[in-house]
Amino acid sequence: ETGVTQSPTHLIKTRGQQVTLRCSSQSGHNTVSWYQQALGQGPQFIFQYYREEENGRGNFPPRFSGLQFPNYSSELNVNALELDDSALYLCASSLTRINTEAFFGQGTRLTVV
Amino acid sequence: AQSVTQPDIHITVSEGASLELRCNYSYGATPYLFWYVQSPGQGLQLLLKYFSGDTLVQGIKGFEAEFKRSQSSFNLRKPSVHWSDAAEYFCAVGTNAGGTSYGKLTFGQGTILTVHP
Repeated sequence: ETGVTQSPTHLIKTRGQQVTLRCSSQSGHNTVSWYQQALGQGPQFIFQYYREEENGRGNFPPRFSGLQFPNYSSELNVNALELDDSALYLCASSLTRINTEAFFGQGTRLTVV
Repeated sequence: AQSVTQPDIHITVSEGASLELRCNYSYGATPYLFWYVQSPGQGLQLLLKYFSGDTLVQGIKGFEAEFKRSQSSFNLRKPSVHWSDAAEYFCAVGTNAGGTSYGKLTFGQGTILTVHP
């Protein structure tokens, strides 16, 4: 059984650019959620993808968007990067869309300069 | 709306000493509760979870937590801390009620544990 994997592990972008982060869900899990963890904070829910559609969203602007593919892997896209977008982005997979037991990847550290 | 409070930002204990990390939650229904551990620059590892039933739950690495509904608490404990337990610990409440069709986790701000030899 493979765990949740994310790529890349680290990324540096310039303000105003766009970025794509990738996540492969744990085997057998059909739901992927994304979280943003700013330095010194707990993770904040961005959104969830289920059956290739956004199934729920936290308090994040539309420039945060995502995709889910038929194999349940997912992408997080952020447009018009701002300095405050610098954070650790965590992907979590779960067995179902309402199952809150989530398994996390190691994260992608995004730095916006 | 749900919320989680971890009152202690930083705790320092000696190796071999006992540990208790506090967590209080606010949620209108029966919560699903979790403790995660995070090493520097890493993702979150699930230590233990409470869904229902026995209020004392056992987890990995010798950790346990007790759910107390009357106090809205879910404190994490370990009888004897090892140097490798030094990390940041997050309490979280999982919610999928209120008419939503998705589950999400709401995290506390975390408690950093330092272990002295």
